[in-house]
Amino acid sequence: NAGVMQNPRHLVRRRGQEARLRCSPMKGHSHVYWYRQLPEEGLKFMVYLQKENIIDESGMPKERFSAEFPKEGPSILRIQQVVRGDSAAYFCASSPGVNSNQPQHFGDGTRLSIL
Amino acid sequence: QKEVEQNSGPLSVPEGAIASLNCTYSDRGSQSFFWYRQYSGKSPELIMFIYSNGDKEDGRFTAQLNKASQYVSLLIRDSQPSDSATYLCAVNQENNFNKFYFGSGTKLNVKP
Repeated sequence: NAGVMQNPRHLVRRRGQEARLRCSPMKGHSHVYWYRQLPEEGLKFMVYLQKENIIDESGMPKERFSAEFPKEGPSILRIQQVVRGDSAAYFCASSPGVNSNQPQHFGDGTRLSIL
Repeated sequence: QKEVEQNSGPLSVPEGAIASLNCTYSDRGSQSFFWYRQYSGKSPELIMFIYSNGDKEDGRFTAQLNKASQYVSLLIRDSQPSDSATYLCAVNQENNFNKFYFGSGTKLNVKP
């Protein structure tokens, strides 16, 4: 499967725990984007990364949230000390990045539930 | 003002009819426009993208762009019940090409 791979598909955490969401971009894609989607709402941009660099994190809360895209391995979205309001679907998308007008392709998402 | 606006719907059309989905955007310098389809509980799936004023056709789908009016639409001909989904409009802006702004989506119901 050469598509965007996200895992886990479903993640359940208790308040105060940490959540780690992983995303492997499509083969040949070097740009990764994370979005959050609440039920019946649109996609909200969180962060845009290239390998080893955060390009734009303007949509990500300053506290508790962090993202990385290391030289080797998947991109990680990390949420520390989760709260009920963090419950949402988190989608990762990737693009080749060289041509800035190219579409983004989405993974299947991680559904995060906070107990 | 939201960067990208869509009517949330639901838009109901009978099977075989043309469904017309609309989207307006605020940044006059926007360069690229994308339509995604999202079934309930699933991820967004790219349907079409358009960069130039005018129409772009792909099978039953036609994207229409009018930059002067800051308006982009998606027409679905011969609508099928399987087209029932939420359609998301996405725009990227002149100075930040790789950052997409999404509308909240229009829910389409195609009735058999």
